[in-house]
Amino acid sequence: GENVEQHPSTLSVQEGDSAVIKCTYSDSASNYFPWYKQELGKGPQLIIDIRSNVGEKKDQRIAVTLNKTAKHFSLHITETQPEDSAVYFCAASRKGGGNKLTFGTGTQLKVEL
Amino acid sequence: DTAVSQTPKYLVTQMGNDKSIKCEQNLGHDTMYWYKQDSKKFLKIMFSYNNKELIINETVPNRFSPKSPDKAHLNLHINSLELGDSAVYFCASSHDGLGGGELFFGEGSRLTVL
Repeated sequence: GENVEQHPSTLSVQEGDSAVIKCTYSDSASNYFPWYKQELGKGPQLIIDIRSNVGEKKDQRIAVTLNKTAKHFSLHITETQPEDSAVYFCAASRKGGGNKLTFGTGTQLKVEL
Repeated sequence: DTAVSQTPKYLVTQMGNDKSIKCEQNLGHDTMYWYKQDSKKFLKIMFSYNNKELIINETVPNRFSPKSPDKAHLNLHINSLELGDSAVYFCASSHDGLGGGELFFGEGSRLTVL
């Protein structure tokens, strides 16, 4: 089955700096890679996703890149703000897999003033 | 108006007891899921149902029995609770059950087994 590794497990940045979280996956058939943000006491919420036919996607301060050959994808957050502090999860799934998402182990991002 | 709601939010119980967690979604989605998040925040799928039919069963002990009376509801019943069952259980739903669709999560039900 799919295995998703995520690094780093914790990340502390100064407000205004950029943050990068990296994930690798094992199943070459995976074709959908979402990123979820989980705030304290809440359920995870989708912030951006990318499909395997695209190498990069951007939405305001958030961008995701995908390298299918190397089987890794990354989340980039620019101009970080205190409200970006949360746990971020990458995930992977493949079509026909019943939308079974395999999550990474999470990154606790702390944006300091 | 909450999209995916689950009850109870907190549940504290003794080992050996049986408990249920209920989930309802008002998004009109066909697919619903149960995920377990352990103390290290690791999220793992347990079950998914598409239009009341079991699609995914991730080798969960048979003490866990999901029930979907209709496509808007997916309940989780746990028999003979064990200490290791302590976790946060998340219900989720999606429009697309085939692959590659956004999951909408509830706020979680924190189960503590003493």
